[in-house]
Parts: sequence; C-alpha cells; structure tokens
Amino acid sequence: GEDVEQSLFLSVREGDSSVINCTYTDSSSTYLYWYKQEPGAGLQLLTYIFSNMDMKQDQRLTVLLNKKDKHLSLRIADTQTGDSAIYFCAETSGGYNKLIFGAGTRLAVHP
Amino acid sequence: DTAVSQTPKYLVTQMGNDKSIKCEQNLGHDTMYWYKQDSKKFLKIMFSYNNKELIINETVPNRFSPKSPDKAHLNLHINSLELGDSAVYFCASSQEPGGNSPLHFGNGTRLTVT
Repeated sequence: GEDVEQSLFLSVREGDSSVINCTYTDSSSTYLYWYKQEPGAGLQLLTYIFSNMDMKQDQRLTVLLNKKDKHLSLRIADTQTGDSAIYFCAETSGGYNKLIFGAGTRLAVHP
Repeated sequence: DTAVSQTPKYLVTQMGNDKSIKCEQNLGHDTMYWYKQDSKKFLKIMFSYNNKELIINETVPNRFSPKSPDKAHLNLHINSLELGDSAVYFCASSQEPGGNSPLHFGNGTRLTVT
C-alpha cells in the first residue's frame, strides 16, 4: 500500500548540517517532494526531485534519491534557527497527483 | 497577492452544527484539493477537483461535501459536525493532476468542534 515514513524528531546545532530521511513505497512515483511547515502556517514547497534523478541541489538544500531502496533524503547545509520547522516528505500516488505525506520530521535548531 | 487563500482562518463551533470553509486560488491552476491535518500533524487527502470535476474522493463521511463553482474556487461544507472533525483543513492547488506539478497550499483553517 501507500506509505511514507520519516523519523519524527531531529535536533541539530546551528551551523551544522541537517539530514532528514524518508522512505516511500510507491515505485511509480513520478516526483518526490519536500515541504516545510512553520508553526501556525501552511505547507511551503521546498524542493522536489524527478524520479529519474539521483540528486538535486538548490542553494543550501541537497536532495538525494535512492530509487532502488526507495529512500529520499534532504540535507540542509549550515542550518539556521529559521530552519526550525516540520519537514514533510511526500510521494505521488494513484496517477491523479494524490500526494501521500509522511508524518513529518520536527527539526529543532539550537545555538 | 496571496496564491491560495482560505477563509476563515479559525472556526470554533458546537457539535451538530453545519459549517463551510472557502478556498480561492489566483494561480490559474486547474486542480484543487482539500487535505486534513490531525493533531499529530498527519496529512491526508480528502478530495480533489480538476476543472470543476471531482477526481479524488477518499474515504470521507458523507457529511463532508466539496463544491467547486469554478476552477478558482473549491469550498468545503460540513454537516452535523462531530468532535472528531476538529483538525486543520488545508486547501491546495496544482497546475495539473498526474503528479507532474507541485501543490501550493493555503495557510489552513483550524476547526475546533466543542
């Protein structure tokens, strides 16, 4: 069935790199997405990767995709306090752009 | 200026009441969605419309009825509200269905049923 799994919490020191991991089940997913949710706000699209790519870099963000293991990761370089939020991984499923979300990883950045 | 806007932002009501949440997008997208986020932050799709036609209808009680008067609007009406309906409801839109375009979300409507 459709399932996306993420670890629930990650705590890092300001300036370090953060790596958020995700596993998904639908091998036919065309795109895989990372969304960020700050307290009391909606979901903001951070980045996405097409399923035939292994890596995508966008400024401080690096997405790695291991299609064989159905594993997706998001690396945030030089993590700042403003990066504190919940990060959701999502796969597309069912053909009609039905996004299946993970439970979200709560990233806490401390001085 | 806002791409996907929902109203109201907060909604507090009693069990048994009927309420509506409105959503509008000015992105020119063809597809709109309603998602529900529970207290543990778990997000689940409820409905999706493409060009005013219903294309996704997950296992949602009949008390929930979406209505899309045009491509830019997707409203959610809820009858006979129950305590378990308390959640944050997010509207979203995308250029097209099929997984080829990302979703843009509104800021959510926090529904509290007492």
